[in-house]
Amino acid sequence: EIVVTQSPGTLSLSPGERATLSCRASQSVNNNYLVWYQQRPGQAPRLLIYGASSRATGIPDRFSGSGSGKDFTLTISRLEPEDSAVYYCQQYGSSPITFGQGTRLEIK
Amino acid sequence: EAQMVESGGGLVQPGGSLRLSCAVSGFDYSVFWMSWVRQAPGKGLEWVANIQQEGGSVTYYVDSVKGRFTISRDNAKGALYLQMDSLRVEDTAVYYCARVRSCTRNNCYFYYFDVWGKGTTVIVSS
Repeated sequence: EIVVTQSPGTLSLSPGERATLSCRASQSVNNNYLVWYQQRPGQAPRLLIYGASSRATGIPDRFSGSGSGKDFTLTISRLEPEDSAVYYCQQYGSSPITFGQGTRLEIK
Repeated sequence: EAQMVESGGGLVQPGGSLRLSCAVSGFDYSVFWMSWVRQAPGKGLEWVANIQQEGGSVTYYVDSVKGRFTISRDNAKGALYLQMDSLRVEDTAVYYCARVRSCTRNNCYFYYFDVWGKGTTVIVSS
């Protein structure tokens, strides 16, 4: 089973800044099959990025995904208050699928 | 717009049963694999079960619920179900139904979730 580790645990930034969230897998993720979800407080997760770098429908271009192999990054430019959430990555290149533990992004 | 609304959660004693439902609308439900995913209080996401599109004859479960939970679907009603028996305290969580992407017609090993319901809360406690 691939273990997925996210860092940092918590990130506190101001509106307008750029956030960089990391997701590291214990083995190479086949086909770069990695997604990112956003979960705002009290809400369901929302798909942001699939295939490591493709934005899901309706996701603003402030959100971008990159990376390959074991290391992946979610970048959120020009932070807005509504970006305050927990962000999860999930690999689907190997079975079973596995989730990271999440990064909490706080907007000051 | 694709929407899913869960119901059926509640408080149940250990060893008890609950049946969760998910009402689906806004897309051709029958052609998609579907899942239940749960989130224990203050914890991360855990996949629970998958069911094949159309006839739903193929199902998968996380080891911790095998033999206790049963996923099913009624395409005519646009409904997804999770029958939960022999419930344990550690089953306490918010349960989400989710649409699955990246499965093949006959199996589902490499997948993610592109549409989620708002969730229903299950509390197992004496």
